[in-house]
Amino acid sequence: AQTVTQSQPEMSVQEAETVTLSCTYDTSESDYYLFWYKQPPSRQMILVIRQEAYKQQNATENRFSVNFQKAAKSFSLKISDSQLGDAAMYFCAYRSPNTGNQFYFGTGTSLTVIP
Amino acid sequence: DGGITQSPKYLFRKEGQNVTLSCEQNLNHDAMYWYRQDPGQGLRLIYYSQIVNDFQKGDIAEGYSVSREKKESFPLTVTSAQKNPTAFYLCASSSWGSNQPQHFGDGTRLSIL
Repeated sequence: AQTVTQSQPEMSVQEAETVTLSCTYDTSESDYYLFWYKQPPSRQMILVIRQEAYKQQNATENRFSVNFQKAAKSFSLKISDSQLGDAAMYFCAYRSPNTGNQFYFGTGTSLTVIP
Repeated sequence: DGGITQSPKYLFRKEGQNVTLSCEQNLNHDAMYWYRQDPGQGLRLIYYSQIVNDFQKGDIAEGYSVSREKKESFPLTVTSAQKNPTAFYLCASSSWGSNQPQHFGDGTRLSIL
């Protein structure tokens, strides 16, 4: 099974600053998909951004962008102009086309935004 | 609006009792999943189903059971064999196509009385 590692259990950022959350994964596959999810205190899981492994261009969604390094098996999330509403748990997830519809999640990073 | 509905939001279980958590989706998704989340922890896969009348065990299936009689529904039963059931349970669904994300319900919090 694929493994997804988030090595930062907790992170903090000043409001309006930029923060990067790290994610690495272990796979022998060449084609796969990566996702970042946000889980605020309400516990709802919200999709933040997705990346296809075959695309070299890094995905961007407004203030959220990724730094996808396929050779290094790294998929970090950058949050620019951090807002109080960004405070949440962030989960990195991997989806393989070869293991049916199974998703593999990291253990999460808890982000605190300091006013 | 399409989405996933989990009920109830809060559930209490007595010792020796089986309880069933409901999960319904109207997204026409083929695959459905159940995850368990303990405080401050990540998501652990309990069961998943790719098609009707078929399901597979995840990493922590012991003490749980599921059924998939309809495409829209994937109920999870927490049996008395599950000795530590207190947790937050999330149901999710996804369509075929590996670039598609999972969609999640709002969760059910299960506690022991």
